Amino acid sequence: DQQVKQNSPSLSVQEGRISILNCDYTNSMFDYFLWYKKYPAEGPTFLISISSIKDKNEDGRFTVFLNKSAKHLSLHIVPSQPGDSAVYFCAASADTGTASKLTFGTGTRLQVTL
Amino acid sequence: ETGVTQSPTHLIKTRGQQVTLRCSSQSGHNTVSWYQQALGQGPQFIFQYYREEENGRGNFPPRFSGLQFPNYSSELNVNALELDDSALYLCASSRGGLVVSDDQNTEAFFGQGTRLTVV
Repeated sequence: DQQVKQNSPSLSVQEGRISILNCDYTNSMFDYFLWYKKYPAEGPTFLISISSIKDKNEDGRFTVFLNKSAKHLSLHIVPSQPGDSAVYFCAASADTGTASKLTFGTGTRLQVTL
Repeated sequence: ETGVTQSPTHLIKTRGQQVTLRCSSQSGHNTVSWYQQALGQGPQFIFQYYREEENGRGNFPPRFSGLQFPNYSSELNVNALELDDSALYLCASSRGGLVVSDDQNTEAFFGQGTRLTVV
């Protein structure tokens, strides 16, 4: 049973445009959500997170939106850069707002083209 | 670059053998979690250690076991290796035992992983 789903295995975006990565979840106990970026042969790198008491969090080019009623979150990257090309994982935690015991999606491979 | 280091980076073992993977956590972090990432999948939670005690376990059999030491470093042990245990094993450290306030971010920092191949 996949509790965190990333339904788009891949996404291609032109440099300078907006990248939108989507994530859906089914467990209503999740109260903290994170996005990670992963390059081959490296561990996941934390990008941005959001608590369930918020609906938006921004950090530079990265913005995460949370729609609790739809159990949906999205990551917006503006503007997209070639260095953003990587696999992006959405993760969720039900551990009282801490980044522990994470449930991950299967990832979306983002390719930013010139 | 995070302060989480894992060893070894690559390992080849034979089915039925036992393996120990190691992880040193980031300074100031008292919680270590282990994840298994199979090819084409997202990381799956194996278990977590907080202050040397197991503090949560995913859907993995008992032949997956672990330890956390007083300096918060950790080991993952897998007995009776099976071919399906071939995966990237990731360790993550975080500050556990805290409830995050509205204005705080908390993160789990991952190591680079150990690639285990079982033949």
